[in-house]
Amino acid sequence: EAGVTQFPSHSVIEKGQTVTLRCDPISGHDNLYWYRRVMGKEIKFLLHFVKESKQDESGMPNNRFLAERTGGTYSTLKVQPAELEDSGVYFCASTSQGRRGEQYFGPGTRLTVT
Amino acid sequence: GDSVTQMEGPVTLSEEAFLTINCTYTATGYPSLFWYVQYPGEGLQLLLKATKADDKGSNKGFEATYRKETTSFHLEKGSVQVSDSAVYFCALISTSGTYKYIFGTGTRLKVLA
Repeated sequence: EAGVTQFPSHSVIEKGQTVTLRCDPISGHDNLYWYRRVMGKEIKFLLHFVKESKQDESGMPNNRFLAERTGGTYSTLKVQPAELEDSGVYFCASTSQGRRGEQYFGPGTRLTVT
Repeated sequence: GDSVTQMEGPVTLSEEAFLTINCTYTATGYPSLFWYVQYPGEGLQLLLKATKADDKGSNKGFEATYRKETTSFHLEKGSVQVSDSAVYFCALISTSGTYKYIFGTGTRLKVLA
């Protein structure tokens, strides 16, 4: 089966611009997570979807970040306007309801804000 | 809150050397513990896991034992290869709530031929 895919793999934007990251989970996985790794630090949780509903968005850094999962399939994470500190690698992961605890990760999107 | 602490890298070893990457955790309850690996240019891959105390996870020659008394989950391999060069992340997940992962900072391993 196809794994978790993310697009783009790398994005370079200027401060103040908008960027939208996309994640396609494994087909049939209701749970979708977003994480971020900034400046070689730990990977931090951003938010969790169950189907199209936000289950936990306690890790979202501020209101410049907007995540959506229309129809419960792919998800987008929009950063508007981007700031320098938003640079990092954004990972998406998915899991089925029956396998809580083991998440399958995508390759990540490297975001560079200049 | 829950947290994971792993040793700072980078770690540089010669081929066939013994590897230990330390990982300790702080958590309420009894979390499941994981090691993920990220090879250059690839995503995070599950390397091994353990779901309860004294469990030993193993895969590809790597092992880690869930030690509740020392709250540790150290990663070991008896003989590393150049192909093991990667970044290794220790993580925990609580057994309730949203099942989000708490990761350590990652340890970069470089194995020299």
